[in-house]
Amino acid sequence: DAGVTQSPTHLIKTRGQHVTLRCSPISGHKSVSWYQQVLGQGPQFIFQYYEKEERGRGNFPDRFSARQFPNYSSELNVNALLLGDSALYLCASSLWAAGYGYTFGSGTRLTVV
Amino acid sequence: DQQVKQNSPSLSVQEGRISILNCDYTNSMFDYFLWYKKYPAEGPTFLISISSIKDKNEDGRFTVFLNKSAKHLSLHIVPSQPGDSAVYFCAASANTGFQKLVFGTGTRLLVSP
Repeated sequence: DAGVTQSPTHLIKTRGQHVTLRCSPISGHKSVSWYQQVLGQGPQFIFQYYEKEERGRGNFPDRFSARQFPNYSSELNVNALLLGDSALYLCASSLWAAGYGYTFGSGTRLTVV
Repeated sequence: DQQVKQNSPSLSVQEGRISILNCDYTNSMFDYFLWYKKYPAEGPTFLISISSIKDKNEDGRFTVFLNKSAKHLSLHIVPSQPGDSAVYFCAASANTGFQKLVFGTGTRLLVSP
């Protein structure tokens, strides 16, 4: 069985641009969460989606948005990129909205120049 | 506001000895705690967890201890193996109805032969 898959694996963008990151959850998993990991820090919660609805949001500006599709895959969008958005973006999937059974993908490394 | 703290950025241990990784938290609403292991270029992998109603959980070579009064938990690895070399993250969650893990900054463990 495929795990959580994220694309692309690496990305370089210029300040002010927009980026879309994609995540496919484990088959059967209905919840997708997004985390940002800046170098030297632990992952920080951005969003959780369950059954296409936003269930939770972390302390991130409105430039960050996400959505979940009928097949439970998800996109994270970041507008007006800043240098400080350079980070590893991790997607995690689970069966349910609550509980603790997360599986993480390998992440997308975003570099903003 | 760093609610989960791992004060040791790195730890070096010899193969066969015990590794002890520590974690402190400040939010008394946290009721579930997890340890993740992360290799470079991979997402975090779940290692072991503990509910706040317990003070110890064991899984093979890995044991997690929770001291609620001190808001402290620790991960013991016995015996340590070179393959255990990775970054270890402590994470905590509160019962909010959605999944949000609050991570520490990680401890890099190096197990030398």
